[in-house]
Amino acid sequence: EVQLMESGGGLVQPGGSLRLSCAASGFTFSSFEMHWVRQAPGKGLEWVSYIGISGSNTNYADSVKGRFTISRDNAKNSLYLQMNSLRAEDTAVYYCAREARYNGDGYFDFWGRGTLVTVSS
Amino acid sequence: QSVLTQPPSASGTPGQRVTISCSGSNSNIGYSIVNWYHQLPGTAPKLLVYRNNQRPSGVPDRFSASKSGTSASLAISGLQSEDEADYYCSSYDGSLRAWVFGGGTRLTVL
Repeated sequence: EVQLMESGGGLVQPGGSLRLSCAASGFTFSSFEMHWVRQAPGKGLEWVSYIGISGSNTNYADSVKGRFTISRDNAKNSLYLQMNSLRAEDTAVYYCAREARYNGDGYFDFWGRGTLVTVSS
Repeated sequence: QSVLTQPPSASGTPGQRVTISCSGSNSNIGYSIVNWYHQLPGTAPKLLVYRNNQRPSGVPDRFSASKSGTSASLAISGLQSEDEADYYCSSYDGSLRAWVFGGGTRLTVL
């Protein structure tokens, strides 16, 4: 059974840092591209970041570029999101999501339960 | 302001057919596939439709979707109370080089 389990969320002051983790199981983690997607309280979904299977290819939403860093450890079946210079508007539930591909078309076929990040003084 | 435009709400009575629209542009829906996700209250999103009109195993055929040009739509027939959820369309935007979502449509079963 595919499982994604996020951790590392919590309360942090503006300007602070936080590192989120996503533990993957039930599938060959090293064969799948991964993403972080967030959802502010009462709001819709916002894509945050992407990482390729080897970790060398990454991409970010403009709203987090230069502040967040995505990484992965295929030996540990884990995905990470290092968040620096946090702002109040980064407050959200952060989900990790697996990207499946079919004939080059991608979609998020499995999502974790999310971890809440609250940025407040 | 979301890149993809969805109506904020939709409603129907049990057994009815409801349609949710998703409007984009040539750089996203007109360029790439559309996927749909649904989110029950307090839970994580789940894949509902992928590659414009494909249903993952376990999703009933009451759910159907289509894409035409720069728009897409999700139809739910034989509406049931358990269909009450938020529904999101999503696509890849080639100009932004980013995955984009609609603002979400809250479906209420009256």
